[in-house]
Amino acid sequence: DTGVSQNPRHKITKRGQNVTFRCDPISEHNRLYWYRQTLGQGPEFLTYFQNEAQLEKSRLLSDRFSAERPKGSFSTLEIQRTEQGDSAMYLCASSNQLRTLRTDTQYFGPGTRLTVL
Amino acid sequence: DAKTTQPPSMDCAEGRAANLPCNHSTISGNEYVYWYRQIHSQGPQYIIHGLKNNETNEMASLIITEDRKSSTLILPHATLRDTAVYYCIVRVGGFKAGNMLTFGGGTRLMVKP
Repeated sequence: DTGVSQNPRHKITKRGQNVTFRCDPISEHNRLYWYRQTLGQGPEFLTYFQNEAQLEKSRLLSDRFSAERPKGSFSTLEIQRTEQGDSAMYLCASSNQLRTLRTDTQYFGPGTRLTVL
Repeated sequence: DAKTTQPPSMDCAEGRAANLPCNHSTISGNEYVYWYRQIHSQGPQYIIHGLKNNETNEMASLIITEDRKSSTLILPHATLRDTAVYYCIVRVGGFKAGNMLTFGGGTRLMVKP
């Protein structure tokens, strides 16, 4: 169990550019979550996947944001036409939610810090 | 999910127990209490969770009142490395639940030598 990994750890980009982040969940975890955290605030939910299906999206996830989990393993989060307001830490978490479990526990990765100039 | 209330900050002396309170007076029967912490610039770290019974693991103990309207996270022997923001989160359980975590402001715990 190597934990949740995220790449890159830091990304600096210019306004208007597209960026893509990757998350590798804990092996065999069927749920994967994306959160965003701005300075001084707690993380805010963006979206989550059950295997490859994207089941819920926050209203924070504007049309410029898209997330995929094509084979139910790793996930990517893409932001198109970045704006300065997109500067934040993007966090990924994974969990194993089985029908036999009453609840699951989310384990977080180290995050990707995005700075939009 | 029910809302939680935590003090914004607390201090604790190194080596002493840190007791972090959380109020969740509107909690419902199928909601769990989760605790996470976040050390500066790192991802949140899971600590412990419970439904109605007290729980203990290698990191901490969780004491939930009988009416479930409040809980206390106890770090038995705080060290400088326990300095972090601690989040108390109430969350519905079950396979069909949305299951996102709703983070509030948390408690900033400062462990002092």
